[in-house]
Amino acid sequence: SQQGEEDPQALSIQEGENATMNCSYKTSINNLQWYRQNSGRGLVHLILIRSNEREKHSGRLRVTLDTSKKSSSLLITASRAADTASYFCATDAGTALIFGKGTTLSVSS
Amino acid sequence: GAGVSQTPSNKVTEKGKYVELRCDPISGHTALYWYRQSLGQGPEFLIYFQGTGAADDSGLPNDRFFAVRPEGSVSTLKIQRTERGDSAVYLCASTNGGGATEAFFGQGTRLTVV
Repeated sequence: SQQGEEDPQALSIQEGENATMNCSYKTSINNLQWYRQNSGRGLVHLILIRSNEREKHSGRLRVTLDTSKKSSSLLITASRAADTASYFCATDAGTALIFGKGTTLSVSS
Repeated sequence: GAGVSQTPSNKVTEKGKYVELRCDPISGHTALYWYRQSLGQGPEFLIYFQGTGAADDSGLPNDRFFAVRPEGSVSTLKIQRTERGDSAVYLCASTNGGGATEAFFGQGTRLTVV
């Protein structure tokens, strides 16, 4: 089962530009997490935001959470070619992490 | 170990055969998850262990799929009578079981059923 839905499905930008990805979900959550995946194999955790938080920063990443709209956004500032990857949101409602379908980001130099 | 280890990294099997996929979580992590990922899709939840017991197996697609974690560490995902539709990357992740913690993923096992 998949709860989160990322938007857009694919995003192409130039190096130095900002990339924004959105995630919508359906049920109440304890926290929401963003992951990155290169080459279709292991996922790497990027950032976690709790349900009582509205915004969180980590380096070039900024995550927002709006529990009333059941949505989150991930902003990557000053993108680099190395940011090219698939990005997934994952919701934690107390048991398993449920992932969305992801946004494929392509950053060209 | 330093990270989550999955073996084999690739497995090709014939339709109808039985396969076992192994996951070694990070030492001390009490929670372990199995996911399946098809090309272009997000990880699809299969089963979640807390210690030795399956806390949530609602994602297992049918009774051909089974997973165990007998000593609360290594887990094995077992697939009987494999079908071509089972072809996917099978991902394992572990966490320390506390609230609001990140999951650490292995590199996955790519299963191809021919």
